[in-house]
Amino acid sequence: GAGVSQSPSNKVTEKGKDVELRCDPISGHTALYWYRQSLGQGLEFLIYFQGNSAPDKSGLPSDRFSAERTGGSVSTLTIQRTQQEDSAVYLCASSLTGSNQPQHFGDGTRLSIL
Amino acid sequence: AQKVTQAQTEISVVEKEDVTLDCVYETRDTTYYLFWYKQPPSGELVFLIRRNSFDEQNEISGRYSWNFQKSTSSFNFTITASQVVDSAVYFCALSLGFGNEKLTFGTGTRLTIIP
Repeated sequence: GAGVSQSPSNKVTEKGKDVELRCDPISGHTALYWYRQSLGQGLEFLIYFQGNSAPDKSGLPSDRFSAERTGGSVSTLTIQRTQQEDSAVYLCASSLTGSNQPQHFGDGTRLSIL
Repeated sequence: AQKVTQAQTEISVVEKEDVTLDCVYETRDTTYYLFWYKQPPSGELVFLIRRNSFDEQNEISGRYSWNFQKSTSSFNFTITASQVVDSAVYFCALSLGFGNEKLTFGTGTRLTIIP
């Protein structure tokens, strides 16, 4: 079946602009995660959605970052007033419910802030 | 807070040699889960294995094997008879129990297999 799908693959934008990154999880996966991968910080957790529960936003680096998940499926990560330090690869993952379920990752969105 | 340490930043070995990637973790929780992921040059993170804290049985899958030792808080990964296709960055990760499944990653080990 289809894996986790992320769009766009690449995004180049000017500092100060807003960006939206999209994630389509694997069908039937109730948990959805966003991570960020950058040279300086490695792989960092951003936010986690599990079913209808309130999301775990503990990894969001500032209030410029937000995410939503509509209908328990597609998720959008929004970065407002982008800064150069936001340049990174943003990875989305999904999994089945359960503590030991592996997370399956998309190919990521490479975000470059000029 | 959880922490995962992969002290080996880069490793290079000649094809067909065996190689072990080290992973040391820290957590105060008694229930936790350990994972290994592979990130080839194409960029996608590929799940390799998971282990829960109650199962210290080692596992072998083809040329891959994993050694989980709670006494030393380690979850090491060995590739036997390495191949060029094994060249990638390998990440060790840890998550906690239900409701806290976010992954804490190590910094990764870049493995290069020299033909």
